Amino acid sequence: DGGITQSPKYLFRKEGQNVTLSCEQNLNHDAMYWYRQDPGQGLRLIYYSQIVNDFQKGDIAEGYSVSREKKESFPLTVTSAQKNPTAFYLCASRPASGGFNEQFFGPGTRLTVL
Amino acid sequence: AQSVTQLDSHVSVSEGTPVLLRCNYSSSYSPSLFWYVQHPNKGLQLLLKYTSAATLVKGINGFEAEFKKSETSFHLTKPSAHMSDAAEYFCVVSVERAAGNKLTFGGGTRVLVKP
Repeated sequence: DGGITQSPKYLFRKEGQNVTLSCEQNLNHDAMYWYRQDPGQGLRLIYYSQIVNDFQKGDIAEGYSVSREKKESFPLTVTSAQKNPTAFYLCASRPASGGFNEQFFGPGTRLTVL
Repeated sequence: AQSVTQLDSHVSVSEGTPVLLRCNYSSSYSPSLFWYVQHPNKGLQLLLKYTSAATLVKGINGFEAEFKKSETSFHLTKPSAHMSDAAEYFCVVSVERAAGNKLTFGGGTRVLVKP
């Protein structure tokens, strides 16, 4: 089955710890995205990558880091510098060709800071 | 710059009655517009998209939306609500010239379906 997988589904972190959220896709998509969702709000873009070994900051990149060493993988690290990391995190991907292709979303990871 | 406003944060309907979710957008260029649905603790699923072809767009599960440039609107409708339609719905705009094909999301409309 083609799709996007995110792991873990639920993640708990103590204050001051870094954590890494996994995102893998087997759709052969070039572009990948990380979003943060807070209750009652739309999604906000954290980072995105259009090709391997390249990525750009989104609207709320502070306290987060990413890497794109392989086309199918785009892990997100939530660092201790992120002051309010409790949220639902969604990964998405889309093919690079064409102008208006929609993004395909993974099932999400819910991060809770204890 | 582009933005999206969903005019209702919550909508409550009875099963079998019509559903209307309202969305207004602003964009400096010709936009693409999408509606996504999200069930609790799940990812987003595409319902339909407008990409400058027909202004009336049909999507999955009986939903459709009409692009009205003069009103800068892209309202989502369904003639008869089903219990499984209870979810959160997001109106989304994308502009080709935006770097990385970034999407701008509305704040969401939560739909409650009463039996």
